[in-house]
Amino acid sequence: NAGVTQTPKFQVLKTGQSMTLQCAQDMNHNSMYWYRQDPGMGLRLIYYSASEGTTDKGEVPNGYNVSRLNKREFSLRLESAAPSQTSVYFCASRGGHLSGEQYFGPGTRLTVT
Amino acid sequence: SQQGEEDPQALSIQEGENATMNCSYKTSINNLQWYRQNSGRGLVHLILIRSNEREKHSGRLRVTLDTSKKSSSLLITASRAADTASYFCATGTTGNQFYFGTGTSLTVIP
Repeated sequence: NAGVTQTPKFQVLKTGQSMTLQCAQDMNHNSMYWYRQDPGMGLRLIYYSASEGTTDKGEVPNGYNVSRLNKREFSLRLESAAPSQTSVYFCASRGGHLSGEQYFGPGTRLTVT
Repeated sequence: SQQGEEDPQALSIQEGENATMNCSYKTSINNLQWYRQNSGRGLVHLILIRSNEREKHSGRLRVTLDTSKKSSSLLITASRAADTASYFCATGTTGNQFYFGTGTSLTVIP
């Protein structure tokens, strides 16, 4: 039982390049989330998916797109990376509607130069 | 932003002492959770308290919630060096979104 996995662990991009961050969970959770963490800012929600086939914007969605490929996988895409997107990205999943607990992946450290 | 704030931003204590950190938030909530993050790692859930609860315990952790003041506190008793980490509160509302605070960095000196 791996929990929540993320790939890659580290990535360096040049401004304007694109990339997709992958996330998968094996806990049969309905909800999945993408956060970014910047120094002194805590975690901010980018997008979330309450169930397979649905996605919604969070607090800071600009510059990102997401895909809930199936119940297990939730990917985050940067179409044209900008230095302001340098951050650590965390994926999380959550079980039932009454469950508040989120399970986090290990994170992807992204640098955009 | 609906983000909460933890206080203090940083806390340094001796092993065996108690550590208290506070969280203030802005909107009505269904629940409030506390998470721990070790350096370079993902967050780990510690404890959840619902809006109709005032206090909750889990091992060495004690959480209180005052919805009238929109604040919560996390007490770690008899701290250990392994408790060194950042601690975040997160508020859950009626939807699926959660809002995290800015974190308290705790250092426990052996």
